[in-house]
Amino acid sequence: DIQMTQSPSTLSASVGDRVTITCRASQSISSRLAWYQQKPGKAPNLLIYKASSLESGVPSRFSGSGSGTEFTLTISSLQPDDFATYYCQQYNSDSTFGQGTRLEIK
Amino acid sequence: EVQLVESGGGLVQPGESLRLSCAASGLTVSSNYMNWVRQAPGKGLEWVSVIYSGGGGTYYADSVRGRFTISRDNSKNTLYLQMNTLRPEDTAVYYCARGYFFNYFDHWGQGTLVTVSS
Repeated sequence: DIQMTQSPSTLSASVGDRVTITCRASQSISSRLAWYQQKPGKAPNLLIYKASSLESGVPSRFSGSGSGTEFTLTISSLQPDDFATYYCQQYNSDSTFGQGTRLEIK
Repeated sequence: EVQLVESGGGLVQPGESLRLSCAASGLTVSSNYMNWVRQAPGKGLEWVSVIYSGGGGTYYADSVRGRFTISRDNSKNTLYLQMNTLRPEDTAVYYCARGYFFNYFDHWGQGTLVTVSS
């Protein structure tokens, strides 16, 4: 099984900050990685697929990069609506998610 | 607009069974890769099962293989998850999700909570 490890587990930031979340795969997954945002009591929402492709309707302040085993999600200027938990997901071999990164207000 | 609405969750005892449903609108279940993904309370996401478009082949996570069965009713445009021999570790919110083939998940339901406890 491919393991996905996100860092940090919790991130404190302020509105307007630029933040980056990292996701590492235990083996190469090419660019077969997605990012999701989840708010409390709600279903996850797809942000990025194929490592760097922005899902329709997602604000352009979200971007993704990486390939192989290391990937990043960047939010260029945090907005109040962005405080949530973020998950990466590999779909190169079955499907596994990272443990999540909680983005909280500083 | 795509809508996925899960139902059927509840409290059951270990060893019992439960069937979840996911009624779809705005998409045709039989033409899509439909999945179940679960989330234990306060924990991360775990993919559970997929049913492929067309012929309806199925695939399961190791943690549920042999106990859970995914299926669909094309006439009702509804996805199901039959869960047998439930364990406390199956306690979770269960989401149905449309997969872009067997890749990422671009449409999700609101989830239904399954609690397995004596």
